[in-house]
Amino acid sequence: EAGVVQSPRYKIIEKKQPVAFWCNPISGHNTLYWYRQNLGQGPELLIRYENEEAVDDSQLPKDRFSAERLKGVDSTLKIQPAELGDSAVYLCASSPQGSSYGYTFGSGTRLTVV
Amino acid sequence: DAKTTQPNSMESNEEEPVHLPCNHSTISGTDYIHWYRQLPSQGPEYVIHGLTSNVNNRMASLAIAEDRKSSTLILHRATLRDAAVYYCILRQIQGAQKLVFGQGTRLTINP
Repeated sequence: EAGVVQSPRYKIIEKKQPVAFWCNPISGHNTLYWYRQNLGQGPELLIRYENEEAVDDSQLPKDRFSAERLKGVDSTLKIQPAELGDSAVYLCASSPQGSSYGYTFGSGTRLTVV
Repeated sequence: DAKTTQPNSMESNEEEPVHLPCNHSTISGTDYIHWYRQLPSQGPEYVIHGLTSNVNNRMASLAIAEDRKSSTLILHRATLRDAAVYYCILRQIQGAQKLVFGQGTRLTINP
């Protein structure tokens, strides 16, 4: 099993530039999550998908962040334009549907905005 | 979301058992207790979860108090690779079902 794959692993951009992160979840996992983790803090949920439907995006800053999960498999998280405060690790996770299962996280993308 | 309380940090020695406590006094009957750990530069990793009964797997054991207001993650024989931040999280059986992470416990293992 390949696990949750994220790319890129690292990204450095200048403020006001756009950036995109990509996630390939474990095959067969209907639920996909994007989390953001600031330095020294626990991860915070940005958005949750059930198949291709975003069922919880209440924590997603919609003025600059967008996400999509076409065909209910891969997902992309975009920031446009990036701000200095967006520097963080962006984590993708997937799970089978249902709360009795654990999540599998990817290794994350470390974003640095300069 | 019901909250959990964990010590900020703990320290133990290699090859000794480690007991990581978690208080969740406001837990509801529909909350699972999940534990994750995060090694440096990695995403969180699922460790174990339970509802009412104690649970064992290849990584750890989970001891749940009879009133479910606290739980303990037990690493039976710690190794240096167990040094990580450990998160205790309550997850609803129905509804949002999302994981809400707190600060966790940073575990240091001494050789």
